[in-house]
Amino acid sequence: EIVLTQSPGTLSLSPGERATLSCRASQTVSSSYLAWYQQKPGQAPRLLIFGTSSRATGIPDRFSGSGSGTDFTLTITRLEPEDFAVYYCLQYVSSYTFGQGTKLEIK
Amino acid sequence: QVQLVQSGAEVKKPGASVKVSCNASGYTFTSYYLHWMRQAPGQGLEWMGWIHPNSGGTNYAQKYQGRVTMTRDTPISTAYMELTRLISDDTAVYYCTRRGDAFDIWGHGTMVTVSP
Repeated sequence: EIVLTQSPGTLSLSPGERATLSCRASQTVSSSYLAWYQQKPGQAPRLLIFGTSSRATGIPDRFSGSGSGTDFTLTITRLEPEDFAVYYCLQYVSSYTFGQGTKLEIK
Repeated sequence: QVQLVQSGAEVKKPGASVKVSCNASGYTFTSYYLHWMRQAPGQGLEWMGWIHPNSGGTNYAQKYQGRVTMTRDTPISTAYMELTRLISDDTAVYYCTRRGDAFDIWGHGTMVTVSP
């Protein structure tokens, strides 16, 4: 099973700042099968990025994804108040596993 | 619009079974795999399995083999997930989700509480 490890566990930033979230895989993941989700309390996850770097429908361009091999990154430029949430990475090349999540909180 | 609407919250006793429904609308139900995930309180997301609505074919995570059954009723565009022999650790929100670009459409979730 591919294990995804996200860091940091919690990220404290202010609106307007840049957020960089990391997702490291225990083995190589094809870049076609790495996605990122945002989840707010009491809500279902929302797809942000699929195929490492493709934005889902309706996702603002301040969200971007990058990476390859075992290291992937979600970057949010110019944080908006609505961006504070928990973020999960997902690999869907070998079964399906999620990272444990990064909580992005307001500083 | 494209959406998945799930059945309401359930409270069950240990040892019982629960069946959660997921009704699809706004797209061709038979064209996309339908997956089920769960999320225990304060925890992360866990994949349980999928069903292909066209063929009825299924694939379950090893952890749930023998306890989970995924079915569908194609004329009403509805998928079902039944989990048997419930224990307290099965207390979670259960989600259905469409496999489009990754998992692109999610149901709102169904809270299942297992309590004596």
